[in-house]
Amino acid sequence: QKEVEQNSGPLSVPEGAIASLNCTYSDRVSQSFFWYRQYSGKSPELIMSIYSNGDKEDGRFTAQLNKASQYVSLLIRDSQPSDSATYLCAVNENTDKLIFGTGTRLQVFP
Amino acid sequence: DAGVIQSPRHEVTEMGQEVTLRCKPISGHDYLFWYRQTMMRGLELLIYFNNNVPIDDSGMPEDRFSAKMPNASFSTLKIQPSEPRDSAVYFCASSGTSGGPTDTQYFGPGTRLTVL
Repeated sequence: QKEVEQNSGPLSVPEGAIASLNCTYSDRVSQSFFWYRQYSGKSPELIMSIYSNGDKEDGRFTAQLNKASQYVSLLIRDSQPSDSATYLCAVNENTDKLIFGTGTRLQVFP
Repeated sequence: DAGVIQSPRHEVTEMGQEVTLRCKPISGHDYLFWYRQTMMRGLELLIYFNNNVPIDDSGMPEDRFSAKMPNASFSTLKIQPSEPRDSAVYFCASSGTSGGPTDTQYFGPGTRLTVL
């Protein structure tokens, strides 16, 4: 069974701190990795994609990929209350479709 | 661009009734995906189309579910007969081909289905 696993949370961090969200996947041939953010009652929206081992930075967001460990993470620096949402990890295994994790709920408190 | 459009936004129906969900993808996108989201199972892919052709329907729960894409600008997901366990939020998403098949997926606002 191919799976994408995330801790459901909630992960609570104070405003200004670094939030670290983690995701593991089971299929070694996975090629592409995505982080989607979903606010309560809203639809998912893409915030980061990563394809190669290492770090990829975009503003306050950094995605980290380690294919050997089958691990992808998302760091949010200087967390803001507006970052409070559920973060979905998605993995593509060189097919047309994505497999989503169940998401980690992040709470940033003032 | 108006984004992915879904209708209705909310649907309440009784067990045994037929339910039809509708989706209009972003103009020019070649891929259309239907997902179902529940608290227990998260976001599950039901079926996806490429250039109006169904490619993978392995996520469709059972024969009660069917999906069509008669043209590039319209798709339907039908449940007949509906059951209470079908209650969920159903999302439609579309993506283009500039980055390949896993180009960014743009999600519609979803249809919240409640089957009593």
